Amino acid sequence: AQSVSQHNHHVILSEAASLELGCNYSYGGTVNLFWYVQYPGQHLQLLLKYFSGDPLVKGIKGFEAEFIKSKFSFNLRKPSVQWSDTAEYFCAVNAKDSNYQLIWGAGTKLIIKP
Amino acid sequence: SQTIHQWPATLVQPVGSPLSLECTVEGTSNPNLYWYRQAAGRGLQLLFYSVGIGQISSEVPQNLSASRPQDRQFILSSKKLLLSDSGFYLCAWTPPYHTDTQYFGPGTRLTVL
Repeated sequence: AQSVSQHNHHVILSEAASLELGCNYSYGGTVNLFWYVQYPGQHLQLLLKYFSGDPLVKGIKGFEAEFIKSKFSFNLRKPSVQWSDTAEYFCAVNAKDSNYQLIWGAGTKLIIKP
Repeated sequence: SQTIHQWPATLVQPVGSPLSLECTVEGTSNPNLYWYRQAAGRGLQLLFYSVGIGQISSEVPQNLSASRPQDRQFILSSKKLLLSDSGFYLCAWTPPYHTDTQYFGPGTRLTVL
């Protein structure tokens, strides 16, 4: 069965620090990969996604993620975080073989100290 | 543009009472619709999904049920709530033939006392 692991449940950083949130999945076939973000009091929204092509994907607000197929990973990065990046971040995976049902990681709560 | 609504935003119900949460989507036709429960530290758990009116697939056996009486309406129900039903419930939709990206509603915070 597919699964998604986010290894860090809580991350605390200072403003201007660099960010990397880990995401690993277990599935041998072709997958689509997503990062969603939930800011305090707001809807869950799509941050970026990878379907095919360039494995380095750029999303909104300066975020990027790199798909490394050999490592089954899709880590989220941002070179310099801001206080407004405080949110919960979710990695998710789906596959055509499983009717595109999204499988979710447990989420990472990111707190940026001003 | 498409929008998704959920209500109520918050709900406090006694154990054993019934439940009805509603989700509606505007600006699209024949969407795929999903109900999730979000538990702290456990990500999102898919409860039900629907590809059309009256077509419901259940992912996890539980005390809840779902119905789709209209094309853009998805309802989550229970006849008798349990304490363990407390949580944050999210509705999501995808276009009918582009099921890769899901769009989420604002959610309903349910507390069962």
